[in-house]
Formats: sequence, structure tokens, C-alpha cells
Amino acid sequence: GQQLNQSPQSMFIQEGEDVSMNCTSSSIFNTWLWYKQDPGEGPVLLIALYKAGELTSNGRLTAQFGITRKDSFLNISASIPSDVGIYFCAGLNSGGSNYKLTFGKGTLLTVNP
Amino acid sequence: NAGVTQTPKFQVLKTGQSMTLQCAQDMNHEYMSWYRQDPGMGLRLIHYSVGAGITDQGEVPNGYNVSRSTTEDFPLRLLSAAPSQTSVYFCASSYYIHQPQHFGDGTRLSIL
Repeated sequence: GQQLNQSPQSMFIQEGEDVSMNCTSSSIFNTWLWYKQDPGEGPVLLIALYKAGELTSNGRLTAQFGITRKDSFLNISASIPSDVGIYFCAGLNSGGSNYKLTFGKGTLLTVNP
Repeated sequence: NAGVTQTPKFQVLKTGQSMTLQCAQDMNHEYMSWYRQDPGMGLRLIHYSVGAGITDQGEVPNGYNVSRSTTEDFPLRLLSAAPSQTSVYFCASSYYIHQPQHFGDGTRLSIL
């Protein structure tokens, strides 16, 4: 099946630093999604990308849909302690009989105050 | 608006027991799905449904059954629990498959 390679697996940064993480795939996706998961809770949608080359921001978060449709990037600027959590990318194809959302394995972000 | 509600939040079972994990959404979403989350594995799709009466298998369907008799509810059944099914289970929904999914808070299941 389709697989997403998400990197890095974990990051330990100082408050105020910028963060970058990415996902790559051998397959093309029509939609890229970025979720954040806090301990003991379900993933919460941060940003959705629907078009190759699209660059979308949500506050301090910026994500891009790669032009090849096989990758996506998430940047967090000026990190704060509440940014701590696991960030997941997810790719979606909705053509034909394929209705499956494929997740990366996550990036664990730790922010040191 | 409750969103996606999962019950129970925690459960311990013995090997061979059966159980149903409940999932309900009040957003009139057509698409619902079940995932399991294991350390280092991310979220893996178990089963999904594109509407009432329609279900299909995901990436890891073995050992699980689902049904979708109403738009609101999408229960996940473990017929004979095995230790390998110890995991955190998440239900998610969206208006349509190509729209981002909203997740419940999960059911933490341990099988001894």
C-alpha cells in the first residue's frame, strides 16, 4: 500500500526557534493534511492542502503542497511550549474506489521553555 | 455540538472476549472510519464507511467487524480479542471522503 515517510521522527528545540518537518511519498496524493495530537487526545486538523504548489498559513503554521504532489512541508515559526505534541502528515486520494487516508508515523516535538 | 464521541475511553479485556467500541457523530457526516494507533506505527486504517449501509476494509481489517446502520453511528466489533489488538483506537468522520476528518478522543484498549 501507499506509505508516507515523515521526518524527522523527533525534535527537541528551544522556545522561540522555528521548526520544519516534511513528508514524502512514492505515490501521488490529491490532498495533504497536517494534524497535531496532544497526549491522551485525538489528532486535530491544523492545515489542509488541496492543490499542488499551494502554500497555506494558519497563524504561526505554514504548510505547502509539493509541486510533484508527492511531498508536503510544515513549518512552525517562533515555537512556544504549547506546540509540544506529535505532528502527523496525511495524504488522501479519492479517485475510483480508493477512499483511504494514509498517515505518516509522526514527528514528536518537544519545546524547551 | 459534541463532534465525534467514542465510548468507552478505557477498557481491559481478556483474550477471547468480545467487545464493541462505540462511535457516534452529530455532524451529519457521511464518511466515518476507524484507526488504531500503536507506538512507532502512526495511525492505521481498520475499516471505513462512505455512508449508511456501506463499509469497506482498510489497511489492517483482520479481527475486526463494522456495520453502518445509521449515518450517526459506526461501531467497531472485536469478535475474539487477542493481545495483538492492544492499542488506542480512534474514530473519525467527515462530510465526504475528500474532506479532512475530525477525530474522537480515542478508546484505550488493553487485552490480557
